[in-house]
Amino acid sequence: DTEVTQTPKHLVMGMTNKKSLKCEQHMGHRAMYWYKQKAKKPPELMFVYSYEKLSINESVPSRFSPECPNSSLLNLHLHALQPEDSALYLCASSQGGRGRTGQGFIQYFGAGTRLSVL
Amino acid sequence: KQEVTQIPAALSVPEGENLVLNCSFTDSAIYNLQWFRQDPGKGLTSLLLIQSSQREQTSGRLNASLDKSSGRSTLYIAASQPGDSATYLCAARRGTGKLIFGQGTTLQVKP
Repeated sequence: DTEVTQTPKHLVMGMTNKKSLKCEQHMGHRAMYWYKQKAKKPPELMFVYSYEKLSINESVPSRFSPECPNSSLLNLHLHALQPEDSALYLCASSQGGRGRTGQGFIQYFGAGTRLSVL
Repeated sequence: KQEVTQIPAALSVPEGENLVLNCSFTDSAIYNLQWFRQDPGKGLTSLLLIQSSQREQTSGRLNASLDKSSGRSTLYIAASQPGDSATYLCAARRGTGKLIFGQGTTLQVKP
């Protein structure tokens, strides 16, 4: 099973709302990622968690707040977003850890959450 | 700073053709290079990953090559099918773990 599950599939929110995106994997992966993708552009890395600890934050505005409650779950909390934050938000996971071999670097992506900020 | 470029941006071929997608990168100090497929409005599907020490990887009708010295990777698709229509992205991995993506090649295979 190489599935990464993201919920919800679609989300519409106002600029004053608070919402959360959820990502789940049961492959035993210890690295999890959040990406943002605008239309006709490649994904842009936002955050990386390794062993439930935040290891990379790509200077993302504080209105995006990641959380990794356990090794299978990754959340992205959203607050006071702007219309320009509308995009496809993708979650990914990979084996992570010092013992990984070459193919352990492969990142597996979820289907994404399509976010619209009004 | 690593930059990844994919040419062409779009490609349309008749069914059955063999085709090559190109990916170039500016910094040869990469860990690996990964090819993905993305269908419209969907997530990414990993196709092939080539380690920096490898020259090529094959999976079914797909073959990816890597030439670090020239900063190039190619994805070869044999006997293309309409179901191969999608956007193909290459991504170079840095030591930090960050993937640097190209802009993608959108492929249309006509029946």
